[in-house]
Amino acid sequence: GDSVTQMEGPVTLSEEAFLTINCTYTATGYPSLFWYVQYPGEGLQLLLKATKADDKGSNKGFEATYRKETTSFHLEKGSVQVSDSAVYFCAANAGNNRKLIWGLGTSLAVNP
Amino acid sequence: NAGVMQNPRHLVRRRGQEARLRCSPMKGHSHVYWYRQLPEEGLKFMVYLQKENIIDESGMPKERFSAEFPKEGPSILRIQQVVRGDSAAYFCASSPLIENRGGGYTFGSGTRLTVV
Repeated sequence: GDSVTQMEGPVTLSEEAFLTINCTYTATGYPSLFWYVQYPGEGLQLLLKATKADDKGSNKGFEATYRKETTSFHLEKGSVQVSDSAVYFCAANAGNNRKLIWGLGTSLAVNP
Repeated sequence: NAGVMQNPRHLVRRRGQEARLRCSPMKGHSHVYWYRQLPEEGLKFMVYLQKENIIDESGMPKERFSAEFPKEGPSILRIQQVVRGDSAAYFCASSPLIENRGGGYTFGSGTRLTVV
C-alpha cells in the first residue's frame, strides 16, 4: 500500500546550520507531496507542496523538490533559526481518494 | 476569514464516558477529514465526510467511534465509552468541493483528548 517514510528524529541543530529532513514515498501513480509543520501546542500548517515531478515547493526559506526517480521529497533549509523548532511531517496524496498518507514526523530543535 | 475551528481544544473524560469533538470547516469548504495523532506517532486517517454523507471511513475503529457532518452545523466525531487508549490529539481538516489533489487542506488546531 501507499506509505511515506521520513527520517527519525529528534534532530538538534545550532542556529544558522543547514537542515535536511529526508522523505521518501511509495505510491501508485503520481502523488502530490506535502510538508506540514506543527509548532508546539498548535495544529498543522502547510509548509510547502509539489504536485508533479521536478516541481520545487518553497516557503519561509524551506525547499523540497519532487524527485520521481528516487521517489523522494527531502526538506531543506540553508540556515535554520530557533523559531524553526517544531515537528515536520511529510505527506502524500495518491490515487483518487482525498486522504493524506503521513510520515511519522521529525522533531527539530534549534539551539541559539 | 475564519479557518477550521475545532472545539474544545482540550477535553478530559473519565473511562466509560462519551467524548464529542466538533469541527467547523473553513467557509466554502464542503469536505471534512478527521485524523488522529497518538503520542509518539504520526497522523492516521480516520474518516472523510461530505455534508450528510460518509465518503470513506476506512480508518475508523469498528466500535465506539462514529462521525457525522449534518446539513447544518459542525462535523462531530463521537467516541463512546472512552478508554485510556483513546487519549490522543484529533485533528480536523477541510477542503473545497473541487477535486484538488494539490492540497487545499486546511487543518484546525486539534482537540487533545485525555482519558483518565
